[in-house]
Amino acid sequence: AQKVTQAQTEISVVEKEDVTLDCVYETRDTTYYLFWYKQPPSGELVFLIRRNSFDEQNEISGRYSWNFQKSTSSFNFTITASQVVDSAVYFCAPSGGYQKVTFGIGTKLQVIP
Amino acid sequence: DVKVTQSSRYLVKRTGEKVFLECVQDMDHENMFWYRQDPGLGLRLIYFSYDVKMKEKGDIPEGYSVSREKKERFSLILESASTNQTSMYLCASSSPALERQYFGPGTRLTVT
Repeated sequence: AQKVTQAQTEISVVEKEDVTLDCVYETRDTTYYLFWYKQPPSGELVFLIRRNSFDEQNEISGRYSWNFQKSTSSFNFTITASQVVDSAVYFCAPSGGYQKVTFGIGTKLQVIP
Repeated sequence: DVKVTQSSRYLVKRTGEKVFLECVQDMDHENMFWYRQDPGLGLRLIYFSYDVKMKEKGDIPEGYSVSREKKERFSLILESASTNQTSMYLCASSSPALERQYFGPGTRLTVT
């Protein structure tokens, strides 16, 4: 079964600072997906990104960027110029093969105005 | 607009009761999932189903069972509820391509 470690349980930053959320995963599968979801205080889970294990290109979407390194089994997420609305719990989630999805414990990010 | 609905937002049950949590999706998805979310433990997968009548155990299936008689509906069953099953339960669905999971609003279950 896959396993995911989000070592940072809580992070606080001041608005406009950059912040990186770490994710390290373990899987026996050779092909899999990696996801990031956000859960704001309202509670609904918001999909952010899916990455295929074949695709190690980094990705940037506005203020968000992701660094996938298969050699170290890491899929880190960076928010540039953080805003108060980024305050949420962020989950990294690898899939087992292409089906079963396992979530980490999440990193709670607080952005202070 | 895609939708995953769960039968109740809040539920209070007594120890020993049989509890049914229902989840319905309108996206014709093959995959459906049940998670529970507890503070400090994140989301933990209980069961998932990849087709009607097909199911696989997740990471914490003990004390739970599931039913998938129709494609759009996935039920989580607590045969004999216990206080340690007090939690937030989240249902999700996805296509077989697993572009992403769509989550329901959750059911907060309290077992007293």
